Amino acid sequence: GEDVEQSLFLSVREGDSSVINCTYTDSSSTYLYWYKQEPGAGLQLLTYIFSNMDMKQDQRLTVLLNKKDKHLSLRIADTQTGDSAIYFCAETGKAAGNKLTFGGGTRVLVKP
Amino acid sequence: GAVVSQHPSRVICKSGTSVKIECRSLDFQATTMFWYRQFPKQSLMLMATSNEGSKATYEQGVEKDKFLINHASLTLSTLTVTSAHPEDSSFYICSASPLGTVTGNTIYFGEGSWLTVV
Repeated sequence: GEDVEQSLFLSVREGDSSVINCTYTDSSSTYLYWYKQEPGAGLQLLTYIFSNMDMKQDQRLTVLLNKKDKHLSLRIADTQTGDSAIYFCAETGKAAGNKLTFGGGTRVLVKP
Repeated sequence: GAVVSQHPSRVICKSGTSVKIECRSLDFQATTMFWYRQFPKQSLMLMATSNEGSKATYEQGVEKDKFLINHASLTLSTLTVTSAHPEDSSFYICSASPLGTVTGNTIYFGEGSWLTVV
């Protein structure tokens, strides 16, 4: 089946930028997503990008998509302690409809 | 905006009993809902696709007789964990999308349900 991979852990100082990377194998991916999950909580959709775009910016968040390399990244500018959470990359392919394949999640720790 | 509600948010049950989790779309109809499972400190894995008025489609390795899914209406899907065991303890979360939509921001997740089997 399709696969989505992420690095496990990222430590960053408050005020710095964070970059979380994701790779995927589904060449028919239509939408790619970034979700945030805080401890004991559900999923919060942060942003998404359509596969024919290569960049999307939304306030402190910038998503970059390299479709050729099947690489997705999420940059968080001016990272705050409240950004400490697990971040999941996910994708849905053309045939999958609204069914998502998730990466393993990247645990981001923001240090004061 | 569109809301998906799950109930209960937390449940503790005894080993051997069954527990039902509801996933309800509050202001839209959905012919398809998805059930995911998340083990502690792991990712979310799709368990099954719940199809309104027909049988659910289960992912490989998911026991359909253990995880019973019923999608009796366009706004409600239920997941019943039968004869629960401690290894079934997990976070279960559903998602749904309004009829006919396959666009980026129309996948709505419920709040999730924490199941602990003792």
